[in-house]
Amino acid sequence: EAGVTQFPSHSVIEKGQTVTLRCDPISGHDNLYWYRRVMGKEIKFLLHFVKESKQDESGMPNNRFLAERTGGTYSTLKVQPAELEDSGVYFCASSQDSTVVYYNEQFFGPGTRLTVL
Amino acid sequence: LAKTTQPISMDSYEGQEVNITCSHNNIATNDYITWYQQFPSQGPRFIIQGYKTKVTNEVASLFIPADRKSSTLSLPRVSLSDTAVYYCLVGDSDYKLSFGAGTTVTVRA
Repeated sequence: EAGVTQFPSHSVIEKGQTVTLRCDPISGHDNLYWYRRVMGKEIKFLLHFVKESKQDESGMPNNRFLAERTGGTYSTLKVQPAELEDSGVYFCASSQDSTVVYYNEQFFGPGTRLTVL
Repeated sequence: LAKTTQPISMDSYEGQEVNITCSHNNIATNDYITWYQQFPSQGPRFIIQGYKTKVTNEVASLFIPADRKSSTLSLPRVSLSDTAVYYCLVGDSDYKLSFGAGTTVTVRA
C-alpha cells in the first residue's frame, strides 16, 4: 500500500513568489493534516481536514496560507506571497476515520522542504 | 495540553537496550501517551501508544507508572538503524498532535 506522498520534495523560491505544495494521502483516509517545522523549531500543527471540510485550522499562521482539499482526496497548501520566515519543512499526514480504529494513528509523508530567499 | 520533558539526546551501542523517559507532570485524566520516531529526511512515524501500565509491540515497550506523571519508552537491542529522533506526545486528541523537541538517539557500532 502506498504511503502519504508529497510534491515537490524541495522548493526554492524568492520572497514574494507563490508556491503550492501537494499532498496525496493514503487511499481511504478521511483525515488529512498539515504540519510544519520552521528554522529548527518544533513540528507545529497547521490544520486538519475531514474529507473536504476544514475541521481545525487554528494553526494556520496567517492569511497568506491557503489549504484546499477539493473532492476529499489530495490537498494543496498555497503560500502567497511567500516570506523568508516561511522557510522550513512542511509535512502532510493522514489517518483513518476514528470510528473505525481505537487510536487514530497518523501516517506522515516525507515532507516538502521550502526555502524562501 | 500537558507539557512534556525528555532528554535532548542519548547515545548507545548496537545490541543495547535504550530507555527514554518522558516527564508529563500535568497529564490529564483523558490524556494518553504516544511516541513517534523520526528518521532524517522523513516524517514522524507512530511507534506505540498507551494509557497506563505496560504496552508492548514488535518495536518497543512503553512503561507507565500508576501516577502517569512519566513514561519510559524502551527499545530492545538497538541497531544502527534505530538512530532517530523520538518524540513523546501527551494529549486526549489524536487529531492535533503536539510535538516537543524530542530525544535524538544515536546508536554507534
